[in-house]
Amino acid sequence: EIVLTQSPGTLSLSPGERATLSCRASQSVSSSYLAWYQQKPGQAPRLLIYGASSRATGIPDRFSGSGSGTDFTLTISRLEPEDFAVYYCQQYGSSPWLTFGGGTKVEIK
Amino acid sequence: EVQLVESGGGLVQPGRSLRLSCAASGFTFDDYAMHWVRQAPGKGLEWVSGISWNSGSIGYADSVKGRFTISRDNAKNSLYLQMNSLRAEDTALYYCAKDMAERPSSGWYPLDYWGQGTLVTVSS
Repeated sequence: EIVLTQSPGTLSLSPGERATLSCRASQSVSSSYLAWYQQKPGQAPRLLIYGASSRATGIPDRFSGSGSGTDFTLTISRLEPEDFAVYYCQQYGSSPWLTFGGGTKVEIK
Repeated sequence: EVQLVESGGGLVQPGRSLRLSCAASGFTFDDYAMHWVRQAPGKGLEWVSGISWNSGSIGYADSVKGRFTISRDNAKNSLYLQMNSLRAEDTALYYCAKDMAERPSSGWYPLDYWGQGTLVTVSS
């Protein structure tokens, strides 16, 4: 089973700043089957990125994903007030399981 | 509009059973795999189980294997989770979620729609 480790655990930034979130896999993620989700308090998660770098429907272009193999990154180019939330990476594909990382909280500095 | 509405949660004693349901609408239910994902209070997301569009492929997290059973009724546009031998560590908000890929040959894909969840509390 692939284990996903997200870092940092908490990121303290100001609106307008750039956020860089990391997701490292314990073994190579085939075909870049890596997704990112955003979750705000009291809400269900929302799909942001799939295939490591493709934005889901309706996701603003300030969100971008990159990486391959075992190292993946979610970048928010300029933080808007509504972007302060918890972000999770997820591995999917041919594995019998879906695996989530532990999450990164992006908080207002 | 895609809607997923979970029900069936509640307070249950350790060792007892509970059945969760998810009513789906706004898409062709029998074209997509479906999943249950849970979130313990203040914790992260944990995938629980998934079922393919035709029920031919089913998967479980190790933490629930042998105790939980996922099923679906495509005629009723409904997803279920039968939870037996419940433990305190099963306490969580249980989300129903739709797989993104339409009738894939195999595998799981990202979850593009989620319900609002139903809370399961296991306590004596």
